[in-house]
Formats: sequence, C-alpha cells, structure tokens
Amino acid sequence: GQNIDQPTEMTATEGAIVQINCTYQTSGFNGLFWYQQHAGEAPTFLSYNVLDGLEEKGRFSSFLSRSKGYSYLLLKELQMKDSASYLCAVTDSNYQLIWGAGTKLIIKP
Amino acid sequence: IAGITQAPTSQILAAGRRMTLRCTQDMRHNAMYWYRQDLGLGLRLIHYSNTAGTTGKGEVPDGYSVSRANTDDFPLTLASAVPSQTSVYFCASSDSYREGTGELFFGEGSRLTVL
Repeated sequence: GQNIDQPTEMTATEGAIVQINCTYQTSGFNGLFWYQQHAGEAPTFLSYNVLDGLEEKGRFSSFLSRSKGYSYLLLKELQMKDSASYLCAVTDSNYQLIWGAGTKLIIKP
Repeated sequence: IAGITQAPTSQILAAGRRMTLRCTQDMRHNAMYWYRQDLGLGLRLIHYSNTAGTTGKGEVPDGYSVSRANTDDFPLTLASAVPSQTSVYFCASSDSYREGTGELFFGEGSRLTVL
C-alpha cells in the first residue's frame, strides 16, 4: 500500500531551528508538497519538490531525496506564529495526492 | 478578495438527513476537489472535477455525490447522513488539470457533526 510517515508532534523553542521529516512509500513519484495548517484553518501551500535537493524560500526550506523516499521541511528563526500542523503530500504515478497525517509543531517561548 | 468560499462553516445534523455543502471559487480554476479531514488521518479525497461538466470518484466516495454545472460551483451532497460522516470537509481548487500537479487552494472548511 501507499504510505506517508511523519512525526505526530514536535516541540521547539522560539528563535530556534526545527526539521520535520517525511518518508514515503508510494507507487511512483511525481512530486512532493508541504502545506501549513493552523488550527481550525485551511491548509496553505508552502513548497513543492520534484527534483532532489534543497529548495529555499525565506525562513522555510524543503529537501528531497527520491532514492531514499525522504523529505524534510526546515524552519529557521522560529516564531510563535509557526505553531501549526505541517502536512506532507506525495503525487503518485497516477498523479493522485497521498497525504500524511501531519506533524503538529508547538513553539514555546 | 479572490478565493474559495465554503458554506456552512459548521453544522449539526441528525442521521438520515440530507445535507449539501456549498463551495464557490472565483479564481476560474478548472479543477475542484472535496476532501475530508479526520484526526490522525491524512486528507482523503472524496470526489473531484477536472473541469466543468465532469466529475470523478476519489478514495472515499461512498455516501457522497457532487455536481459541476459551471466553473465556479462544486457542491457536495450527503444523501442520507450517517455518524461516520462526522468530519471537517475542505473544498479545494487548482489551475492544474490533475490533482497532484499544482498548488491547491483550500476553503476554510465545513465542520459537520452527524448525530
């Protein structure tokens, strides 16, 4: 079956750096998305990786290794507003999205 | 403000009742989707529409129906609600023709409780 694994919850300190990992086993691969979802709100797009390597966008970076079935989202200079769930989703060979359950990130002062 | 609007935002419904969740977008996106989000699970696709006039089944379509009469509207109907349909429902749209090829824009969600 197809599977996306992410940690359920992580805690980090304001101003620090945190890395949220995502591993996947899917039938084919056509890209990987990260979305941010604040409690009670809609998911919003953060990043998209289709080739190996690091994509940087301000304080957020996303890394992909297709050979390892692995991605991470790196958040730098954490702010309280970064407290949210982070959703990893993979596009399979049929161009369907397979979603992880999300990682709830708690930022402490 | 351009975007995607869902209604109602929250609803409590008796089992066996019919319910339609409304979704409207003003971004002229071709593709629209309905997902449900349950605690501990990833988003699951219920139904989708790649363009006006066409619809398709997602991962969990049973008990739900959709229509796409025009580009902007994509209502989701529960013909006879059951408690297992208690969930948060998200409508989304994309300017890509296939689900996993472009950024999804989500509505604010509709929290449905079936008693």
